[in-house]
Amino acid sequence: EVQLVQSGAEVKKPGESLRISCKGSGYTFTSYGIGWVRQMPGKGLEWMGIIYPGDSNTGYSPSFQGQVTISADKSITTAYLQWSSLKASDTAIYYCARRGRPAGATVYVPDYWGQGTLVTVSS
Amino acid sequence: DIQMTQSPSSLSASIGDRVTITCRASQNIRNYLNWFQQKPGKAPKLLIYGASNLQSGVPSRFSGSGSGTEFTLTISSLQPEDFATYYCQQSYSIPFMYTFGPGTKLEIK
Repeated sequence: EVQLVQSGAEVKKPGESLRISCKGSGYTFTSYGIGWVRQMPGKGLEWMGIIYPGDSNTGYSPSFQGQVTISADKSITTAYLQWSSLKASDTAIYYCARRGRPAGATVYVPDYWGQGTLVTVSS
Repeated sequence: DIQMTQSPSSLSASIGDRVTITCRASQNIRNYLNWFQQKPGKAPKLLIYGASNLQSGVPSRFSGSGSGTEFTLTISSLQPEDFATYYCQQSYSIPFMYTFGPGTKLEIK
């Protein structure tokens, strides 16, 4: 069974650093991309970027370029989203999602999602 | 960048109603359009991929259509568990950019 399990909720102060994680299991981790999605309180979904763990190829939405870093450790089938200096506006739920291919499909889509990690940034 | 819009932004309907949500892309995305359902406090759930393909396990009352720049999600007969927010998403801009629409909140009338 494909599963993405994310790390727990975090409460941080502005200026602090943070790394949250997304552990994949039940599939070949290096064969599929892992994307990250932000959902600010009461708002919609925003695609942040994606990493392809097989070759570590990474790309970011223009809104998030330079604001966060996406990485992955193949040896422990885990992807990461990190900030070097958090802002109050980073308060949100962050989801990871696998870029997979549904059975019989020819396209790749975000088919499995983690449960979300709530990040709260407040002084 | 490809921009996605949805209409309406919110919708009130009754059990048993037929409901249609529209999604438009700012440029031709062929059939690289997905639909997600999100309930409060839950992760999004893939309903439709490739504009018209039903994800495994999704009830057949959900259907999708369209290509190019205009797409629709239809729920043929609303059930209580269908009240949620629905998002379209383009997956044309591989390998990095998967833009979401702003969402349509479906509420009980």
